[in-house]
Amino acid sequence: GENVEQHPSTLSVQEGDSAVIKCTYSDSASNYFPWYKQELGKRPQLIIDIRSNVGEKKDQRIAVTLNKTAKHFSLHITETQPEDSAVYFCAASIGGNYGQNFVFGPGTRLSVLP
Amino acid sequence: GAVVSQHPSWVICKSGTSVKIECRSLDFQATTMFWYRQFPKQSLMLMATSNEGSKATYEQGVEKDKFLINHASLTLSTLTVTSAHPEDSSFYICSASKRQLYGYTFGSGTRLTVV
Repeated sequence: GENVEQHPSTLSVQEGDSAVIKCTYSDSASNYFPWYKQELGKRPQLIIDIRSNVGEKKDQRIAVTLNKTAKHFSLHITETQPEDSAVYFCAASIGGNYGQNFVFGPGTRLSVLP
Repeated sequence: GAVVSQHPSWVICKSGTSVKIECRSLDFQATTMFWYRQFPKQSLMLMATSNEGSKATYEQGVEKDKFLINHASLTLSTLTVTSAHPEDSSFYICSASKRQLYGYTFGSGTRLTVV
């Protein structure tokens, strides 16, 4: 089955710096990779996603890159702000069909220091 | 949009009692909903896949008789934790996806504390 690893588990950056979180997956059939941000005690919120036919996607300060050959994808946050502090989860779809579930990475706790 | 409502947001119950958690898709029909469990400082772990009009599919290690799932309509799935014990205390979250779109919207979660 699919296995998703995520690094680092914790990350502290100074406000204004960039943060990078990396994930690897094992199932080559996975074709959709969302990233979720979860603040303490709240629901995970989708912040960006990427499909396997795209190598990079950007949305303002957030970008995601995908390397299908190496089976890894990364989240990049530039100009970090204190409100970016949260736990971030990557996920990989199980199989390639719509409606399939995801396997989540273990999460990265990002702290943005003012 | 795609809004998923989950109730209650928190519940405290006595050991041995049952608790029902509701997950509703407010502005779309969800033929499939998912139930997750999240322990403190850990990732989301899939418990079961809830399909409208059919039996839920449980992940390995999840007791179907303990975690009863009912998906009676296209907008409502319920998770009932039966004979709850302190080790069932956790954060339970549902999610649903809108047809034609990838990605999921999560409910607000339910923090269950069994005393």
